[in-house]
Amino acid sequence: RKEVEQDPGPFNVPEGATVAFNCTYSNSASQSFFWYRQDCRKEPKLLMSVYSSGNEDGRFTAQLNRASQYISLLIRDSKLSDSATYLCVVNDRGGATNKLIFGTGTLLAVQP
Amino acid sequence: DAGVIQSPRHEVTEMGQEVTLRCKPISGHDYLFWYRQTMMRGLELLIYFNNNVPIDDSGMPEDRFSAKMPNASFSTLKIQPSEPRDSAVYFCASALTAGRREQYFGPGTRLTVT
Repeated sequence: RKEVEQDPGPFNVPEGATVAFNCTYSNSASQSFFWYRQDCRKEPKLLMSVYSSGNEDGRFTAQLNRASQYISLLIRDSKLSDSATYLCVVNDRGGATNKLIFGTGTLLAVQP
Repeated sequence: DAGVIQSPRHEVTEMGQEVTLRCKPISGHDYLFWYRQTMMRGLELLIYFNNNVPIDDSGMPEDRFSAKMPNASFSTLKIQPSEPRDSAVYFCASALTAGRREQYFGPGTRLTVT
């Protein structure tokens, strides 16, 4: 089982639509969770952290379900500029190491 | 402020040649990470450093890969000899902490080994 699993998509949605991505992780000891965004042929950049109580940043809402070990990202009122790959990221603590594990990403294409 | 700087941005080389990728992290960041990204495997952590010391190199694929960080402002990832399956985008990232806060990625080096 992969440490972080995401539906690769693509998700093709019209402008203005609401779209949701889910992600599952395998390490129940993980403590930090993030969504990164990666534009085509660019580097990943942090979109938002994910907190236990859920959090919102404008049109973006992130939620965490520790019991089921899944994370979600909801995008409301999609814009053309939201087209990108969204990476689910989880920290992985083990011994002396503490690193981030990236999912393979979900591709979103917002259509005019 | 300058972000993470990587060079070269593109590298095309023949199988068997030595390849050296370079990275300058953001000043003040204590952690430096090397990742490799391919369509098939996504973004994989190769190695990371804390205060110039390698902490976890379990992602380094084999002995052909080596990484150094001689000082706080410079790191190299070397592949010798290179093989076609090493073709990928190699990202360097830096951070204030290892796993709890944002990592800042450089623009990447797109490596093609023919």
